[in-house]
Amino acid sequence: GNSVTQMEGPVTLSEEAFLTINCTYTATGYPSLFWYVQYPGEGLQLLLKATKADDKGSNKGFEATYRKETTSFHLEKGSVQVSDSAVYFCALSYGGSQGNLIFGKGTKLSVKP
Amino acid sequence: SQTIHQWPATLVQPVGSPLSLECTVEGTSNPNLYWYRQAAGRGLQLLFYSVGIGQISSEVPQNLSASRPQDRQFILSSKKLLLSDSGFYLCAWSVQGEKLFFGSGTQLSVL
Repeated sequence: GNSVTQMEGPVTLSEEAFLTINCTYTATGYPSLFWYVQYPGEGLQLLLKATKADDKGSNKGFEATYRKETTSFHLEKGSVQVSDSAVYFCALSYGGSQGNLIFGKGTKLSVKP
Repeated sequence: SQTIHQWPATLVQPVGSPLSLECTVEGTSNPNLYWYRQAAGRGLQLLFYSVGIGQISSEVPQNLSASRPQDRQFILSSKKLLLSDSGFYLCAWSVQGEKLFFGSGTQLSVL
């Protein structure tokens, strides 16, 4: 069946450090892949997405590339800020609607000044 | 602009008691609506989705039910809560083909 595995947290980094949060998936067919973010006290919101192999999603300095050969969608940012502290969820879609998402467990990121 | 309201933010209920969580969306028409749950140590799991009034699809068998009495209202219910129903419940909406928008969630503790 379909599933998403992302690295366990929490992750603690200093400001301006490089960030990688690993995400791998198992799926039948060709799902779309997403990263959602939940800032403290706020709801989940879409950070970026990729709909086909080799697509790169990017937003707010974050990037992730849809790698079909490794079934991965790792999230990266070259220089994190304190304001990036949040919980990050990797997800894939199935069933023809972007609401039918399968999420990973989430990775909590804390960035220290 | 579109907004989604979900309440309450936290809820503590005894085992065997009923449950009703409400979600309403403003600023859009005929959205797809969703209920997700995140149990401790697990990813977000889709429980129910609805593409229209009175139309409910269940993704997993469980002790919960959902209803959509109005276009922009989605209700999650249970007649008798179990300990295993504890978790973080998220309502979400989308317009088909576009991204998903989430509410702020309800932390349910069943004791």
